[in-house]
Amino acid sequence: DGGITQSPKYLFRKEGQNVTLSCEQNLNHDAMYWYRQDPGQGLRLIYYSQIVNDFQKGDIAEGYSVSREKKESFPLTVTSAQKNPTAFYLCASSTNQETQYFGPGTRLLVL
Amino acid sequence: GQQLNQSPQSMFIQEGEDVSMNCTSSSIFNTWLWYKQDPGEGPVLLIALYKAGELTSNGRLTAQFGITRKDSFLNISASIPSDVGIYFCAGPPDSWGKLQFGAGTQVVVTP
Repeated sequence: DGGITQSPKYLFRKEGQNVTLSCEQNLNHDAMYWYRQDPGQGLRLIYYSQIVNDFQKGDIAEGYSVSREKKESFPLTVTSAQKNPTAFYLCASSTNQETQYFGPGTRLLVL
Repeated sequence: GQQLNQSPQSMFIQEGEDVSMNCTSSSIFNTWLWYKQDPGEGPVLLIALYKAGELTSNGRLTAQFGITRKDSFLNISASIPSDVGIYFCAGPPDSWGKLQFGAGTQVVVTP
């Protein structure tokens, strides 16, 4: 089945630790996106990538990093510089400025 | 940039009731998108609208593209418990493929 997968579903981070969230798509989409969602809130864009080996900062990129070495994959690293990382993280993909399709999300919690 | 206002922020309704929500923008749109997010999941595209005045249905859901091209409406008829979730509107992708989302309408359905 074609779609977007995110793993893990739940992730726990210790203070000062970097963690990486996985996002994979087999839809052959060029563009991929990472959003953060806080409880009861809307979606805020962290990073996006229109093409392999290129990515751009979104509205809240501080404390996060990404890579886009393969078309199918767009992992997000939450670094220790992100002081309030507890949130629901959503990955999405699209093709040529068409509508975005979302993965199931990863919930990140701080121990 | 695009400014989207989505209302109401939340609504508590009884099963069987009809629901209506809307989005307004500060600029003219050529596309309106409506997504639904089930609790703990990623948003799923419900309806896409591409023409002013367009009225599109998806089961018990009906969305309309306002004739001013600055607003859109989503109606849910005869609500059922599985209609619970957050409904987001979004405008057209920009040149980078980024979407601007409304803040969402939280729908709670009681028996």
